[in-house]
Amino acid sequence: SQTIHQWPATLVQPVGSPLSLECTVEGTSNPNLYWYRQAAGRGLQLLFYSVGIGQISSEVPQNLSASRPQDRQFILSSKKLLLSDSGFYLCAWSKTGGSHGYTFGSGTRLTVV
Amino acid sequence: AQSVSQHNHHVILSEAASLELGCNYSYGGTVNLFWYVQYPGQHLQLLLKYFSGDPLVKGIKGFEAEFIKSKFSFNLRKPSVQWSDTAEYFCAVNPAGTYKYIFGTGTRLKVLA
Repeated sequence: SQTIHQWPATLVQPVGSPLSLECTVEGTSNPNLYWYRQAAGRGLQLLFYSVGIGQISSEVPQNLSASRPQDRQFILSSKKLLLSDSGFYLCAWSKTGGSHGYTFGSGTRLTVV
Repeated sequence: AQSVSQHNHHVILSEAASLELGCNYSYGGTVNLFWYVQYPGQHLQLLLKYFSGDPLVKGIKGFEAEFIKSKFSFNLRKPSVQWSDTAEYFCAVNPAGTYKYIFGTGTRLKVLA
């Protein structure tokens, strides 16, 4: 069966420090991968999605970047965190084509101090 | 721009009451529609989905949703809620042929025992 792993679960980082959140999927190949940020009262905001290795689409301009170095690995990064980067970050995957629904990871609570 | 509106941000019901959560979207083309649920401390999970065919779809745990194309709506219903239905519910729209899912802001449901 397919599983999705996301880590760390919680992270506290100082302003200006770098960030790396990792997400891996098992049990499937060539998944579509997504990074979302969930903010209270604002729902889920799509940050990045990827349909293949090295293919990244950005939905909103921001201080973050994403990379997909391997088929089932999706990384969310920042060179210098801002206070406004605090939030709950969710990784998700879907089958190729996108219309089957997502499976979400457990999320990372990022607090920038 | 495409958007999804969930008009009820917080809903409080007593057990056995009937539930209806509203979801409206703005997109003129063909869409796939989803409801996700997030129980306290758990992952987002798919509750039900609509791709085509019968506009009344049934999901897990007695939930159902009706797609009314003329109203651009996909409301979630349950005839009799239980305390265990306390959760946050998200509506999502996937414009057909795209990889993007647009989420509503969520509705927090609290069911009183």
